[in-house]
Amino acid sequence: QQQVKQSPQSLIVQKGGISIINCAYENTAFDYFPWYQQFPGKGPALLIAIRPDVSEKKEGRFTISFNKSAKQFSLHIMDSQPGDSATYFCAASKNTGNQFYFGTGTSLTVIP
Amino acid sequence: DAGVTQSPTHLIKTRGQQVTLRCSPKSGHDTVSWYQQALGQGPQFIFQYYEEEERQRGNFPDRFSGHQFPNYSSELNVNALLLGDSALYLCASSLAQLGGTQYFGPGTRLLVL
Repeated sequence: QQQVKQSPQSLIVQKGGISIINCAYENTAFDYFPWYQQFPGKGPALLIAIRPDVSEKKEGRFTISFNKSAKQFSLHIMDSQPGDSATYFCAASKNTGNQFYFGTGTSLTVIP
Repeated sequence: DAGVTQSPTHLIKTRGQQVTLRCSPKSGHDTVSWYQQALGQGPQFIFQYYEEEERQRGNFPDRFSGHQFPNYSSELNVNALLLGDSALYLCASSLAQLGGTQYFGPGTRLLVL
């Protein structure tokens, strides 16, 4: 059973556009929601993370929006650049520090 | 400040063999988690080590075992390899006191023939 569902599977965005990736979860015990960026042949790199006590967190061009009642959270990449082309994974964990449940990933391609 | 390191980077084994993968956590971190990432999939949690004990375990068979050393480094052992064990094995480290943030290494690519 997939604990975290991620969509879309792939995304193509023009340079300068906004990339939006969505995730949904069922377990209300989850209290930590990170996003990771992974380039081919590399390990996932932490991009940004949020806890359920806030509805939005912004770091540079990256924003997480969190909807606790809907059990959904999303990653927005503003002013998308070709260098952002990578696979993005959302994840969730309970009692922070415990195992992460990952989504299935979104392959983002930013066209110059 | 060195990040999480893993060795080897690549490995080829045949079915039935055993393999040992190694991980050194980020400086100052005391918790190590192992994940398996099949091609095109998200990482799947194998287990987590803290204070040299297995603290949590995911849905993986006993063929998967691990160890954590006093210097916090860790090993992942897989016995009786199956073709389906071919994957990228990721190590992530974190600091138990802070909780949450896990930092991943580059992974070990295992191919089972």
